[in-house]
Amino acid sequence: DTAVSQTPKYLVTQMGNDKSIKCEQNLGHDTMYWYKQDSKKFLKIMFSYNNKELIINETVPNRFSPKSPDKAHLNLHINSLELGDSAVYFCASGGSNYGYTFGSGTRLTVV
Amino acid sequence: DQQVKQNSPSLSVQEGRISILNCDYTNSMFDYFLWYKKYPAEGPTFLISISSIKDKNEDGRFTVFLNKSAKHLSLHIVPSQPGDSAVYFCAASGSGGGADGLTFGKGTHLIIQP
Repeated sequence: DTAVSQTPKYLVTQMGNDKSIKCEQNLGHDTMYWYKQDSKKFLKIMFSYNNKELIINETVPNRFSPKSPDKAHLNLHINSLELGDSAVYFCASGGSNYGYTFGSGTRLTVV
Repeated sequence: DQQVKQNSPSLSVQEGRISILNCDYTNSMFDYFLWYKKYPAEGPTFLISISSIKDKNEDGRFTVFLNKSAKHLSLHIVPSQPGDSAVYFCAASGSGGGADGLTFGKGTHLIIQP
C-alpha cells in the first residue's frame, strides 16, 4: 500500500495545454508538498499545504496552482504549459519529525 | 544562490570500504539536516537526519556528522554495499517546524564497485 502515490508517472503534452498531476497520501500527515527537479537535478520546493492552507509559495509562475480537496490530497494544476516546465515533479508529505515521504515522481515532457 | 552544496557529482567506492559523502551549507538559520537516497525512477527516501544541537547521529551502517562552525556535514556508510549505489541528497530545514520545506543539494551519485 503506497504511502504517497502520484499519477500519472509520465506525462507528455503539447505547449499551451492544461494538465493536472494528482497526489494522495495515506500517512495522516498534516503537510503536503510539491517539489520540482529540473534538468540540473536540483530539487526545489514549489508549494506546501497544511490543513488546506497554503503556507509556502516560492517564486513559481501563477500558471501553477495547487488544489487540496482534503488533507490527504494535493493536486497540481498547470495551465498554458511551456517547454521550460519539462521536469520531474515530486509530491511529498511530512509530519513534525521532518521525515518527509516522497512519491515516485511524475516526469512531465512538454513538446 | 545555492544554500546547500554537494560539490562531488559522483563518487566511486569499492564494496566493503567506507563511503564518505560531503555537504556544505551557507544559511546559519538551518537547524535540521537530512540525507535522502534516490534510485532511478523513484522518489527520494529518507535515510538519516541530525539536529543542529548534535554533532553525530548513527543508524546502523550510516553515520552523519555535523560541524556547525564549518557549516559542513558528512554521511559515512560503512561497510559499503552494492545496494548503496544511488544518488544521495543532502537537505536542510529551518526552524519552521518542517512546514518550510527542505532545501536540497544537487546530489552525489554513489557507485559501489564489486
